[in-house]
Amino acid sequence: IVLTQSPDFQSVTPKEKVTITCRASQSIGINLHWYQQKPNQSPKVVIKYTSQSVSGVPSRFSGSGSGTNFTLNIDSLEVEDAATYYCHQSRSLPWTFGQGTKVEIK
Amino acid sequence: DVQLVESGGGLVQPGGSLRLSCSASGFTFTNHALHWVRQAPGKGLEYVSTINSNGGSAFYADSVKGRFTISRDNFKNTLFLQMTNLRVDDTALYFCVKEDCARVGCYVDYWGQGVVVTVSA
Repeated sequence: IVLTQSPDFQSVTPKEKVTITCRASQSIGINLHWYQQKPNQSPKVVIKYTSQSVSGVPSRFSGSGSGTNFTLNIDSLEVEDAATYYCHQSRSLPWTFGQGTKVEIK
Repeated sequence: DVQLVESGGGLVQPGGSLRLSCSASGFTFTNHALHWVRQAPGKGLEYVSTINSNGGSAFYADSVKGRFTISRDNFKNTLFLQMTNLRVDDTALYFCVKEDCARVGCYVDYWGQGVVVTVSA
């Protein structure tokens, strides 16, 4: 299952809204998760099962979608949100990841 | 707290072998499948392999099938990745990851800090 993220790069000012999309090559139900990776750190989950919040992750992160089209939203971006974001499908093995979207602070 | 600590990486020549280990703590090891995910320098995340909770079933990415072997020791709470016939494009940071599952599926809830494997002549 191929996951294609859009855009590859986004430069955003603080407090702006960020939207990242992930398209799957076949239906994956809600088995789509989003990870944030900062430089020299391991990824950490920010949204699980398409839209479920994760303990400890700020409420400005939200997700939506189903089937083949998914979206990660970051409302009112903060400086600490600068990172690369990856979508990940666990519907079937082999797991696959999107190519990543780098979010930079202007 | 859940901890996943990888070790065993290093520099190896093409065609060589390495064995990665991942020591786990803070959760019931025998209840969870475990996985290896890698990240080449400056690149994205790539799935490598999965082993089920009792070690009886494994799955591999096509890129490593026949060269890598995943295993686990449920008495020592340790995950392994035996890598043979290494290639330059196996150079990456290798993460040990734990999944958490619900009725609808699973996701990665914890990542190790990663271990570097460099394949170069």
